[in-house]
Amino acid sequence: KAGVTQTPRYLIKTRGQQVTLSCSPISGHRSVSWYQQTPGQGLQFLFEYFSETQRNKGNFPGRFSGRQFSNSRSEMNVSTLELGDSALYLCASSPGTGAGNTIYFGEGSWLTVV
Amino acid sequence: AQSVTQLDSQVPVFEEAPVELRCNYSSSVSVYLFWYVQYPNQGLQLLLKYLSGSTLVKGINGFEAEFNKSQTSFHLRKPSVHISDTAEYFCAVIIVGLTGGGNKLTFGTGTQLKVEL
Repeated sequence: KAGVTQTPRYLIKTRGQQVTLSCSPISGHRSVSWYQQTPGQGLQFLFEYFSETQRNKGNFPGRFSGRQFSNSRSEMNVSTLELGDSALYLCASSPGTGAGNTIYFGEGSWLTVV
Repeated sequence: AQSVTQLDSQVPVFEEAPVELRCNYSSSVSVYLFWYVQYPNQGLQLLLKYLSGSTLVKGINGFEAEFNKSQTSFHLRKPSVHISDTAEYFCAVIIVGLTGGGNKLTFGTGTQLKVEL
């Protein structure tokens, strides 16, 4: 069974640009969540989607947005990039939204903003 | 709000020695507890989780953790470490029963385990 797949794995963007990251969850998983990992702030929750609906959102500015498609694949978008947005963005999937479900992570997308 | 504290940012240990990575949490409500491992340039892998029942939880790669409600701790242990255990370890919680928050993990700052020969 394939794991959580994230694309692209590495990318470099310029300040002010926007970026879209893609995530394909494990087959059958309907919940997708996104996390940002930086050396300074650690791992922080961005948002979670289930059945194409955002169920929860972390404390990030509106420049960070996401969506989920009917096949459970998800994308996140960051507009007007800032240097501080340089981070590892991790996608995670889970069968459902119950707190006891195991959450599986992808290998992440490394974003560098210059 | 809940928080997770991992007091040790780095733990050096010799191969075949035992190790304990500490995790304390604060929450006024019930939580589920998790330990994840992150190898260099990779994502997170679940080591083990505590939902309910026995307070001693066994995970993959020989790791185990013990839930202590009175001390609000969930320390990770391994009786004999290997070089390949060198990685960063994260403790995390999920609030039980939080509407819309079923998969919102709150992580600690991580502990870098360095196993030396």
